[in-house]
Amino acid sequence: GENVEQHPSTLSVQEGDSAVIKCTYSDSASNYFPWYKQELGKRPQLIIDIRSNVGEKKDQRIAVTLNKTAKHFSLHITETQPEDSAVYFCAAPTSYGKLTFGQGTILTVHP
Amino acid sequence: KAGVTQTPRYLIKTRGQQVTLSCSPISGHRSVSWYQQTPGQGLQFLFEYFSETQRNKGNFPGRFSGRQFSNSRSEMNVSTLELGDSALYLCASSLNPREGSYGYTFGSGTRLTVV
Repeated sequence: GENVEQHPSTLSVQEGDSAVIKCTYSDSASNYFPWYKQELGKRPQLIIDIRSNVGEKKDQRIAVTLNKTAKHFSLHITETQPEDSAVYFCAAPTSYGKLTFGQGTILTVHP
Repeated sequence: KAGVTQTPRYLIKTRGQQVTLSCSPISGHRSVSWYQQTPGQGLQFLFEYFSETQRNKGNFPGRFSGRQFSNSRSEMNVSTLELGDSALYLCASSLNPREGSYGYTFGSGTRLTVV
């Protein structure tokens, strides 16, 4: 299969709180898991990615965790700020080498 | 280095017409993928080209087609436009996804409106 399920579809947090977005994938051959951030009217931009030989990766306030056994990976944003408000997409490659994206999560950070 | 360039940025077409969109990848990137983005359907994969060959195709009707030139620039064409084709069309370039080089960089997209 080539499904990537993403939850939640919307997420509202207060500034300073943490936000977690989860994705599950179906293709056991998937070995690369990126997260993209898309601000209103702009292109999706890669914010962090992880390969299957690593369980966790951090970059300042964002981190991604991967559980290959359960076929899910998560994006964690700590100390959220209003500028973190955007749509976040997870993705996973299928065995044919294309990226399949999740449905997106609209994150709103209230000041 | 220059990013991914998509032209035009905006298009308004009438039902039944056809349209051609262009994408110039990052220099050195040989793979170009096209996605359709709509509010309700997220990012839907259209097709991927590498070295002038279509390697992958999504679940879109035959009205959607594409090609890639020897300089890696790609075009996609939609014939017999329908109202439902109104969307943001994004292209993304990378070195070669099949070799694990999945570093996709997206263009700014072409906003197509069909009236």
